[in-house]
Amino acid sequence: DGGITQSPKYLFRKEGQNVTLSCEQNLNHDAMYWYRQDPGQGLRLIYYSQIVNDFQKGDIAEGYSVSREKKESFPLTVTSAQKNPTAFYLCASSTGQFSYNEQFFGPGTRLTVL
Amino acid sequence: AQSVTQLDSQVPVFEEAPVELRCNYSSSVSVYLFWYVQYPNQGLQLLLKYLSGSTLVESINGFEAEFNKSQTSFHLRKPSVHISDTAEYFCAVSENAGNNRKLIWGLGTSLAVNP
Repeated sequence: DGGITQSPKYLFRKEGQNVTLSCEQNLNHDAMYWYRQDPGQGLRLIYYSQIVNDFQKGDIAEGYSVSREKKESFPLTVTSAQKNPTAFYLCASSTGQFSYNEQFFGPGTRLTVL
Repeated sequence: AQSVTQLDSQVPVFEEAPVELRCNYSSSVSVYLFWYVQYPNQGLQLLLKYLSGSTLVESINGFEAEFNKSQTSFHLRKPSVHISDTAEYFCAVSENAGNNRKLIWGLGTSLAVNP
């Protein structure tokens, strides 16, 4: 079955630690996205990538980093510089590089900082 | 500036009643419009979209939305809701301009269908 997988589903971290969230897709999509979702705030774009070895900052990139070494993988690292990292993180991909293409979402990772 | 407003944060309805979830946007250029649905603790799924052509678009599970350019709206409707429609619904907009690659999201409307 084609789709997007995110792991882990739940993640707990101590303050000051970096943590990496996994996102893998087998849809052969070029574009991939990371969003952060907080209650009542909708989805906010963290980073996006249109092609391997290239990525751009979204609206709230501070405290986060990404890499795109393979077409199917787009991991997100939440660094200790992110002041309020507790949130639900969603990864998505799309067939094309333009925003009129449907985005397909993974099931999400819920990160809690203790 | 481009923005999306979902006018209701929560909409409680009874099963088999009609429902309308409202979405307005602001943009100076032509747009693409989307409704996504998020069931509890899951990712989002595309419900329906307007790119061009007929202003009335439908989903496979009975929802429909109408693009109204003069009112800059894209309201989502269903004539009779089911318990299984309980979810968060997000309206999203993208400007048809240059090499735009981003969606602008509304804050979401939580639809609660009660028996």
